Amino acid sequence: EPEVTQTPSHQVTQMGQEVILRCVPISNHLYFYWYRQILGQKVEFLVSFYNNEISEKSEIFDDQFSVERPDGSNFTLKIRSTKLEDSAMYFCASSRVDSTDTQYFGPGTRLTVL
Amino acid sequence: QKEVEQDPGPLSVPEGAIVSLNCTYSNSAFQYFMWYRQYSRKGPELLMYTYSSGNKEDGRFTAQVDKSSKYISLFIRDSQPSDSATYLCASCNNAGNMLTFGGGTRLMVKP
Repeated sequence: EPEVTQTPSHQVTQMGQEVILRCVPISNHLYFYWYRQILGQKVEFLVSFYNNEISEKSEIFDDQFSVERPDGSNFTLKIRSTKLEDSAMYFCASSRVDSTDTQYFGPGTRLTVL
Repeated sequence: QKEVEQDPGPLSVPEGAIVSLNCTYSNSAFQYFMWYRQYSRKGPELLMYTYSSGNKEDGRFTAQVDKSSKYISLFIRDSQPSDSATYLCASCNNAGNMLTFGGGTRLMVKP
């Protein structure tokens, strides 16, 4: 069964450093998403991406964040200058159509900012 | 704005019990409703997906949506220890760009 994969599973970084989180969505899916979950809190929407552009973003997704689909398989989330409060699980998801269709989530990347 | 709310639990039940998990939502534009299961430090896994009001059954799981009261339910019959996880409800509107999640209810099924 096809699945969303994410790398790395755990990333530790120093405050102020740039990080790139990587995702490989399910191959025939067209919509891609990033969510985050701070420990003990809700899963929060960050951004949705379709046809090589952002279709929606939340207030969390400020200028420090960017997304890219650098090739036909990868989908990345970059945080330019990490803050302590960026420590969270980051989940990538994909859907065949938009999020009215089933979204499949990856296993997540745990980001720890020291 | 707290758009989707769940009782965080934990909810502890004996094996074989019927479990009822509930969510309320405030956004009248929500049309699609999902239940995800999340094991500790893993990604959410879709369990049930419903559109608008009504019931949907899949094996031991039944999802109910009552749009008049903005109430979403998930019933688990013959609960098993392997059902022990956090259950997340989520909703989206017809624009379909994002899911809004509840905080999750932690379920523990004791053998």
